[in-house]
Amino acid sequence: EVVLTQSPGTLSLSPGERATLSCRASLSISNSYIAWYQQKPGQAPRLLIYGASSRATGIPDRFTGSGSGTDFTLTITRMEPEDFAVYYCQQHDDSPFNFGPGTKVDIK
Amino acid sequence: QVQLVQSGAEVKKPGASVKVSCKTSGYTFTGYYMYWVRQAPGQGLEWMGWINPNTGGTDYAQKFQGRVTMTRDTSISTVYIEVTSLTSDDTAVYYCARVRGMGDMAAPYWGQGTLVTVSS
Repeated sequence: EVVLTQSPGTLSLSPGERATLSCRASLSISNSYIAWYQQKPGQAPRLLIYGASSRATGIPDRFTGSGSGTDFTLTITRMEPEDFAVYYCQQHDDSPFNFGPGTKVDIK
Repeated sequence: QVQLVQSGAEVKKPGASVKVSCKTSGYTFTGYYMYWVRQAPGQGLEWMGWINPNTGGTDYAQKFQGRVTMTRDTSISTVYIEVTSLTSDDTAVYYCARVRGMGDMAAPYWGQGTLVTVSS
């Protein structure tokens, strides 16, 4: 079973700044099947990235995913006010399709 | 458009069972796996298992085996999750989600969530 860890736990940024979020897997992920989700309070998660680097439908190009093997990154090039949220990575390669513990991005 | 609409909030006593439904529309129900994810108050996302709506086949996270059952009713394009022997640790929002496609279990479509509260 793959275990995902995310860092940092909390990231404090100002609007316009760049966000770099990390997701590390305990085992190498085949096909780079890592997804990233955004979740705001009281809402369901929203898929941002799948397959490590493919943007889901309607996701702005300021969201970029990268990585392979065991190390993956979500980059938000310029934080917009609506981007302050919790971000989760998930491995969608093999069951169980576990999530990481999340990174909260809040306003500095 | 794809829609997943879940049943309403539930309050249950410890030891009871709960069954949550997720009615789908806007796509071919039997063509896409679905899974269930829960989120305890203030906590992260916990993947519970998947169901193949075509065959009824399931796979559960080890933590939930023996206590969770996922089923479907193809006649009304609805999936269900039943959790038995509830404890306060099962208090959470339960989400259903539909995957992108065959062989790709990332989930672009989610239900609105169902709050299950377990309290004596």
